[in-house]
Amino acid sequence: GIQVEQSPPDLILQEGANSTLRCNFSDSVNNLQWFHQNPWGQLINLFYIPSGTKQNGRLSATTVATERYSLLYISSSQTTDSGVYFCAVIGMDAGKSTFGDGTTLTVKP
Amino acid sequence: EAGVVQSPRYKIIEKKQPVAFWCNPISGHNTLYWYRQNLGQGPELLIRYENEEAVDDSQLPKDRFSAERLKGVDSTLKIQPAELGDSAVYLCASSLEGAGQNTDTQYFGPGTRLTVL
Repeated sequence: GIQVEQSPPDLILQEGANSTLRCNFSDSVNNLQWFHQNPWGQLINLFYIPSGTKQNGRLSATTVATERYSLLYISSSQTTDSGVYFCAVIGMDAGKSTFGDGTTLTVKP
Repeated sequence: EAGVVQSPRYKIIEKKQPVAFWCNPISGHNTLYWYRQNLGQGPELLIRYENEEAVDDSQLPKDRFSAERLKGVDSTLKIQPAELGDSAVYLCASSLEGAGQNTDTQYFGPGTRLTVL
């Protein structure tokens, strides 16, 4: 099946700093989503982005499907951005959903 | 619009006991997913339904796990008997369709945290 690797595994920022999270995947995909898992465990959909670029407030994402990676940008980080960020893909063949192991972000005040 | 509903939120059982989790997807969503998330890892897909049909259950440990989605709406995931290694968070998600279009966006419930003693 598809392998999904996220980097870095852990990231500590000062409030107001910017960050870039990366997701590499091993094969072509139909679907790529970025999620934020808050400290209470709820997974919140950030972007559906199998290709191209999207922006939502301080967050933006870019997927380069031909090179099999996606980037999540967080600007002017806030303490409420803390949590785990997951990338999930669905392959073009069987449609199986595969998650990476996440990037744990800690934003300090 | 109500989100994905799961119950119970927490469950503590002794090993060898049975346990069941319930999920009500977002109204109108045809695709339903069950995931298991171990501590420090990403969710792992157990089974995916398109309406009533289980289209991907390759990761479901069929000796002790079972799932059903009667009438293509609510779903139940059962473990019998539970083992210590089954302790995890069980997540349910739904999407409008499963065809790789924008309607394929998955929305997650709050999960059920299972502890097996």
